Amino acid sequence: GAVVSQHPSWVICKSGTSVKIECRSLDFQATTMFWYRQFPKQSLMLMATSNEGSKATYEQGVEKDKFLINHASLTLSTLTVTSAHPEDSSFYICSGAPGAGATDTQYFGPGTRLTVL
Amino acid sequence: RKEVEQDPGPFNVPEGATVAFNCTYSNSASQSFFWYRQDCRKEPKLLMSVYSSGNEDGRFTAQLNRASQYISLLIRDSKLSDSATYLCVVNKGSWGKLQFGAGTQVVVTP
Repeated sequence: GAVVSQHPSWVICKSGTSVKIECRSLDFQATTMFWYRQFPKQSLMLMATSNEGSKATYEQGVEKDKFLINHASLTLSTLTVTSAHPEDSSFYICSGAPGAGATDTQYFGPGTRLTVL
Repeated sequence: RKEVEQDPGPFNVPEGATVAFNCTYSNSASQSFFWYRQDCRKEPKLLMSVYSSGNEDGRFTAQLNRASQYISLLIRDSKLSDSATYLCVVNKGSWGKLQFGAGTQVVVTP
């Protein structure tokens, strides 16, 4: 159980275009979903936290107008990278947490590898 | 100072041997602790939670030292399939937010 899917698994786009990444919890309801970014040989960095039906909370240094997050339902959250540039190329990973507690386990999606040319 | 620090390795371990490594964290208010493993170009997967009393899951043993703010992971009887990057993960003290270390790479050799 506790499976999270992401789509697409990889995407290559031209600079200036927007890319949407979907994150779905397949067998549980994710009260909260998290979006992370990982550059090569670096740790996962939390970008934002989203709760279903409310605005996402962004970490310091993450531009909310560039990384649009929509948590439309308890099983779906989307991240849109607007006007992508080569420096946005990274591994984007989402996770879902079924509960509302600080120690709830997060279940990670398989990640989306974005390459911006 | 990074919030979660790990020795990046690699730790080259002969098959069947034991390997152990630590992670230190800076936020004394951290509430929960985990070890994840991440294979190359894949998502992290939960290996085990870490409890104050220490806990064991098969060949894996995790310890938490709150006073010194470090967590350890020990792998006994290493298998080739244990080759991966092991991520130390700490709850930041605010709801649900996890802080990841950069990982310790373990390479088990035949």
